[in-house]
Amino acid sequence: QKEVEQNSGPLSVPEGAIASLNCTYSDRVSQSFFWYRQYSGKSPELIMSIYSNGDKEDGRFTAQLNKASQYVSLLIRDSQPSDSATYLCAVKGGGSTLGRLYFGRGTQLTVWP
Amino acid sequence: NAGVTQTPKFQVLKTGQSMTLQCAQDMNHNSMYWYRQDPGMGLRLIYYSASEGTTDKGEVPNGYNVSRLNKREFSLRLESAAPSQTSVYFCASSEISSYTDTQYFGPGTRLTVL
Repeated sequence: QKEVEQNSGPLSVPEGAIASLNCTYSDRVSQSFFWYRQYSGKSPELIMSIYSNGDKEDGRFTAQLNKASQYVSLLIRDSQPSDSATYLCAVKGGGSTLGRLYFGRGTQLTVWP
Repeated sequence: NAGVTQTPKFQVLKTGQSMTLQCAQDMNHNSMYWYRQDPGMGLRLIYYSASEGTTDKGEVPNGYNVSRLNKREFSLRLESAAPSQTSVYFCASSEISSYTDTQYFGPGTRLTVL
């Protein structure tokens, strides 16, 4: 069974701060990693994908991947109240499970004004 | 371009009743997926269809059946609903099952089984 673990949260940060979300995974052959944002009562929407070791930046969001440590993180700089949501880490299976996504349980983030 | 659509949005069933959840996508994607989401459990894959004409079991397939009707449509059937199937069901699609492709989600169906 492929495991994806996220820091349990909930996480609460003030407006303007950096929010740090973490995720570890068990499948060493995984090559693709995704962060989805899910507002309450809504469906998940993709905010970042990362495939190579290192950092990937997109606006206020930075994804970091370390395959040796089987660790992926999401940093949100200058956090805004509109960033309050649940963030889901997803890992795409390799080998015979290519194409399937394995999700963590999510970390609930609250950004307070 | 509606993306991924699901019907119905809400449904209440009694134990033992059957129903079919419908999903359609207009992005010409090959792969489609059904997930369920329970509080504190994340998203769990029920069934998926890598391409038209194929279906495979995911993590939690018991109590469900699927049909890939054509490239656009992928339905999920509950033959005899149980309270344990109370959940939010999401359909998703992606272009191909490569390691780079992104899955896009529908709005979800909120199902309650009494």
